[in-house]
Amino acid sequence: AQSVTQPDIHITVSEGASLELRCNYSYGATPYLFWYVQSPGQGLQLLLKYFSGDTLVQGIKGFEAEFKRSQSSFNLRKPSVHWSDAAEYFCAVVLLYSGAGSYQLTFGKGTKLSVIP
Amino acid sequence: DAGVTQSPTHLIKTRGQQVTLRCSPKSGHDTVSWYQQALGQGPQFIFQYYEEEERQRGNFPDRFSGHQFPNYSSELNVNALLLGDSALYLCASSPRSDLMVQYFGPGTRLTVT
Repeated sequence: AQSVTQPDIHITVSEGASLELRCNYSYGATPYLFWYVQSPGQGLQLLLKYFSGDTLVQGIKGFEAEFKRSQSSFNLRKPSVHWSDAAEYFCAVVLLYSGAGSYQLTFGKGTKLSVIP
Repeated sequence: DAGVTQSPTHLIKTRGQQVTLRCSPKSGHDTVSWYQQALGQGPQFIFQYYEEEERQRGNFPDRFSGHQFPNYSSELNVNALLLGDSALYLCASSPRSDLMVQYFGPGTRLTVT
């Protein structure tokens, strides 16, 4: 079964510092990978996605992620963190049920980001 | 353009009761998915609806059921509530033309006492 692992439960960084959030997946086929962000009391917002092609993908809010097949990883990065980036971040992989024309997202448990002013 | 909306925002129920949660998809979206997010966990897929039919289901018991209406809005019903059903329930919508990208609503916080 496919799975997504986010090894870090909680990360604290200073404002202006760089950020890397880790994500590893277990999936036999070529994965479709996503990063979502969830602010307190809010739903999930899509930051970026990887389907194929260039392994470095750019997203909203200055985030980027790099797909590394050899490491089964899809780490999220930002060169300079802002206080407003404090939130919970979820990595997700999609399993496509091509026969049914449907699919589902499988999420990691999330990494909570705290930002020190 | 309104995004995905969900109602109610919060709900408190007693064990054994039944609950109905509602979701209106983003304009132009015809596919609705439901997720359960327990405290400290990532969202877990419950099921997905398209053309008023359940197309895919996650590992949830039959106590969880749903419905999609002709206007694409959807309901999630949970019967015989358990304490463990306490969670944030998220609705997400997507157009058939771009199934991979899901837009999430703010969720309904269900507390079972």
